[in-house]
Amino acid sequence: SYVLTQPPSVSVAPGQTARITCGGNNIGSKIVHWYQQKPGQAPVLVVYDDSDRPSGIPERFSGSNSGNTATLTISRVEAGDEADYYCQVWDSTSDHYVFGTGTKVTVL
Amino acid sequence: EVQLVESGGGLVQPGRSLRLSCAASGFTFDEFAMHWVRQAPGKGLEWVSGISWNSGRIGYADSVKGRFTISRDNAKNSLYVQMNSLRAEDTALYYCARGSIAARGYFDYWGQGNLVTVSS
Repeated sequence: SYVLTQPPSVSVAPGQTARITCGGNNIGSKIVHWYQQKPGQAPVLVVYDDSDRPSGIPERFSGSNSGNTATLTISRVEAGDEADYYCQVWDSTSDHYVFGTGTKVTVL
Repeated sequence: EVQLVESGGGLVQPGRSLRLSCAASGFTFDEFAMHWVRQAPGKGLEWVSGISWNSGRIGYADSVKGRFTISRDNAKNSLYVQMNSLRAEDTALYYCARGSIAARGYFDYWGQGNLVTVSS
């Protein structure tokens, strides 16, 4: 089955840029989506179709996808961005939806 | 406003059954695929099952295939999952999620989740 690997944690100072990677075999050929999950809350879609943002999501959130790595970038990080982040794809081979292992973003 | 409200969870013994429901409102239910996604305590997200708008296409994660059955009632704006032969590893918060308009895409709205605990 298709595997998406994320770093367990990323730490960033306020105002700086956080980059969260999502590794998968030839992930650049797939469409990647990203979710933010704060403690005790349901996940929220923050980026879809590699790089589009749902309405209400700040422009500080952006995404890219190429080769074997997709990346969620959070610019000008704020304390409120502290959360777990998950990437997700649909795998055509298995016809399953796959989530990444998740990354905890800590704002120092 | 899109709302998804799960119900039916609780404590159940291994080997027993449970049925979760998801009541949807705020959108045209029969235009969207719907899904169940779960999260074990302290763990990541796992897609469980999905069903197309007309129930013509259904999928299951390998971990639940043959034990779980997803269904929907468009007249009642409701999604269900019948969970049989439950195991300790099925213990999780179960989310109902709406699928994107684009097939096999993303999950754009989520419920708050319903806890299922499988334990003797």
